[in-house]
Amino acid sequence: ETGVTQSPTHLIKTRGQQVTLRCSSQSGHNTVSWYQQALGQGPQFIFQYYREEENGRGNFPPRFSGLQFPNYSSELNVNALELDDSALYLCASSLISSEKLFFGSGTQLSVL
Amino acid sequence: QQPVQSPQAVILREGEDAVINCSSSKALYSVHWYRQKHGEAPVFLMILLKGGEQKGHDKISASFNEKKQQSSLYLTASQLSYSGTYFCGTRGDGGTSYGKLTFGQGTILTVHP
Repeated sequence: ETGVTQSPTHLIKTRGQQVTLRCSSQSGHNTVSWYQQALGQGPQFIFQYYREEENGRGNFPPRFSGLQFPNYSSELNVNALELDDSALYLCASSLISSEKLFFGSGTQLSVL
Repeated sequence: QQPVQSPQAVILREGEDAVINCSSSKALYSVHWYRQKHGEAPVFLMILLKGGEQKGHDKISASFNEKKQQSSLYLTASQLSYSGTYFCGTRGDGGTSYGKLTFGQGTILTVHP
């Protein structure tokens, strides 16, 4: 296990609702990255947070937003959910100076 | 742009070897390899850096050809535990932040007794 924990593990929402996913970093890690993994696909980079600020963003609309807290834990918020937002959302923690990512087990989001 | 992995799927008997390839159309600084089992987190296997050497871990090794922007993962004498989906993740050679990887679509590896 990597020490990265995500909650909840599964979530069902309806179109138009808002959702918040949570991630606790591995001890000592100061950077959190979020990825979206659609069924049968590789993970896609959403954004990264370092020192409580966004530090790089992928090709996702503004309704995907995030937060990082002083203890380095993080939240991913998605507003106005769409059916295509159904996916596994992965959080990865790391040190800002390191290439190596440690992934959590993810949150499976289903939008109906 | 997303790197391309080949093959898309491999079926092996225990003890057989396999090679998984990852090819990018852009200059790369690093290539990462992960293995993901169904319903679990991707697990880090190794990183290959530009200018670095070929790496190995037990019976799994990898190479990185910077000129061709290609990497290959070699699995020798496969074990049942090697089954899973293998992803390569790439980081571009242009100051991209460390956490931003572009992953391929994955290669499903199945090892039978």
